[in-house]
Amino acid sequence: GNSVTQMEGPVTLSEEAFLTINCTYTATGYPSLFWYVQYPGEGLQLLLKATKADDKGSNKGFEATYRKETTSFHLEKGSVQVSDSAVYFCALSDLFLHDMRFGAGTRLTVKP
Amino acid sequence: SQTIHQWPATLVQPVGSPLSLECTVEGTSNPNLYWYRQAAGRGLQLLFYSVGIGQISSEVPQNLSASRPQDRQFILSSKKLLLSDSGFYLCAWSVRDRNTGELFFGEGSRLTVL
Repeated sequence: GNSVTQMEGPVTLSEEAFLTINCTYTATGYPSLFWYVQYPGEGLQLLLKATKADDKGSNKGFEATYRKETTSFHLEKGSVQVSDSAVYFCALSDLFLHDMRFGAGTRLTVKP
Repeated sequence: SQTIHQWPATLVQPVGSPLSLECTVEGTSNPNLYWYRQAAGRGLQLLFYSVGIGQISSEVPQNLSASRPQDRQFILSSKKLLLSDSGFYLCAWSVRDRNTGELFFGEGSRLTVL
């Protein structure tokens, strides 16, 4: 079945550092890929998405490219801020949202 | 605009006691509704989803149940809580019949079973 594997955390960076959170997936079809973010004490919210191979999703300075050849959807940001401290979830969905599969989450802490 | 609310935000319950978590959505009609559980250090596990009033699909066997008495109300219940039921419970909704990939999550309810 479909599944998502993302790098284990926690990740601690200094402000303005470069961020990469790795995400790889296994899917039988042609899924859409997502990154969700969970700020402390809150529910998840969609950060960005890509619906087909080679698409790049971007939002708030974060980017991720749907790489079918490497089955990856790594999250990157060139310069992180303290306010980016949160838990980031990679996810995939095939036909239906109730089939959405989430990774275990990666906790990011950015220090000033 | 659409909003989703869950309550209570925090709950401490003894083993064997009942549970009722409520979720309501405003500003939309006929949403798909979901209950997820987030255990510490693990990803989100889908517990139930609903595509309409009275229609509940269960994803995992457990001592929890869900009900949808109204279009925009989703309730998670248990008759007798177990220690393993502790976790962070998230309600979510999505637009019916559109796989935009966007699930809209509530603020979550943290349950501790002692």
